[in-house]
Amino acid sequence: DFQMTQSPSSLSASVGDRVTITCRASQGIGDHLAWFQQKPGKVPKLLIYAASTLQSGVPSRFTGSGFGTDFTLTISGLQPEDVATYYCQRYTTAPRTFGQGTQVEIK
Amino acid sequence: QVQLVESGGGLVKPGGSLRLSCAASGFTFSDYYMSWVRQAPGKGLEWVSYISRSSSYAKYADSVEGRITISRDDAKNLLFLQINSLGVEDTAVYYCTRLTVPGWSDLWGQGTLVTVSS
Repeated sequence: DFQMTQSPSSLSASVGDRVTITCRASQGIGDHLAWFQQKPGKVPKLLIYAASTLQSGVPSRFTGSGFGTDFTLTISGLQPEDVATYYCQRYTTAPRTFGQGTQVEIK
Repeated sequence: QVQLVESGGGLVKPGGSLRLSCAASGFTFSDYYMSWVRQAPGKGLEWVSYISRSSSYAKYADSVEGRITISRDDAKNLLFLQINSLGVEDTAVYYCTRLTVPGWSDLWGQGTLVTVSS
């Protein structure tokens, strides 16, 4: 079965820190990966698509990279409003599996 | 205003059925693939199903295959999810999402809560 494995499951960092979240696909998916941010009690929001393309309106401190099986989401300069759970998802092929999520908190 | 609004959730007994709806507005609904994503309380996101333009085909997660049917009414800008043989594991907020041509969800509804309990 296809799987997306995210790590870590949670992290705590200080304001201004650089934060990195990884997502590993069990088989190659090219750049068909999106990242979503879900703040507590809110609807998920698209951050990045095609592994590295920033959705319009998303702050430039968010960057995505990777191809094939290994992907990363980096927040360069963590802000209090970035407290959220982040999910990766592969698209174009079913099942369009999400990663388990990474909960980001402020230390 | 570009938006998706889900409805139809509620409290259902195990073994029951439910039909969720998603009303689209502010964009040409028939131009888009659409999908359903669910989230159990305190858990992560789970992709459930998607349907192509013109209802040509649909795909389902293994966890719901055979119990769930996705459909659409392009004349009324509505997306549906029929869920049968509901179990407690189906308790979740169900989100309707719009899919771009390559496939990512660029628009989400507010979600509708389905609670399966006796």
